[in-house]
Amino acid sequence: AQKITQTQPGMFVQEKEAVTLDCTYDTSDQSYGLFWYKQPSSGEMIFLIYQGSYDEQNATEGRYSLNFQKARKSANLVISASQLGDSAMYFCAMREVRTSGSRLTFGEGTQLTVNP
Amino acid sequence: SAVISQKPSRDICQRGTSLTIQCQVDSQVTMMFWYRQQPGQSLTLIATANQGSEATYESGFVIDKFPISRPNLTFSTLTVSNMSPEDSSIYLCSVARNYGYTFGSGTRLTVV
Repeated sequence: AQKITQTQPGMFVQEKEAVTLDCTYDTSDQSYGLFWYKQPSSGEMIFLIYQGSYDEQNATEGRYSLNFQKARKSANLVISASQLGDSAMYFCAMREVRTSGSRLTFGEGTQLTVNP
Repeated sequence: SAVISQKPSRDICQRGTSLTIQCQVDSQVTMMFWYRQQPGQSLTLIATANQGSEATYESGFVIDKFPISRPNLTFSTLTVSNMSPEDSSIYLCSVARNYGYTFGSGTRLTVV
């Protein structure tokens, strides 16, 4: 079974600084996808960034980048120039392909607090 | 990406009653997913709903407690039956699109 591990329950960062949120995964699949989502206190899930297992370049989306180290099975999210609005829960997730179709498996999440 | 309208956004319900959550997608999708997020925890998949067939439930979730309907390719409902305070959670629907997954805005359920 696939597993996603986020070892940082909480992280703090000063406004305008960069922060890295850790994510490691475990899978025997050769083809997989890794996602990061942001969940503000409102509860909605906001897609941030995607990395495919065969992508050679690290994914980037604006201030978000994914540090993908396949051999180490890690997919850390880097947020540059943190803003107060970045304070939220962040989830790492992996797409799992099964005979019944694909599904997402989520890590436990990291609560990020951006301090002014 | 797909736009999902999820209703209600929140509700407070009496124990023993049932609540039906609706998700409407702005385009046709094959599979819809229903998740539960208990307070302070991550998302757990309840079931996968394909149009025209019975939903596939994950371990620990049963149809009698969480019946799902999927009458067409743009709509699904999840019912939380015979509720207890332990059912207080955020419930989210989701659809897969290309390489991404879009979520509804969630239903915050409190059972008293």
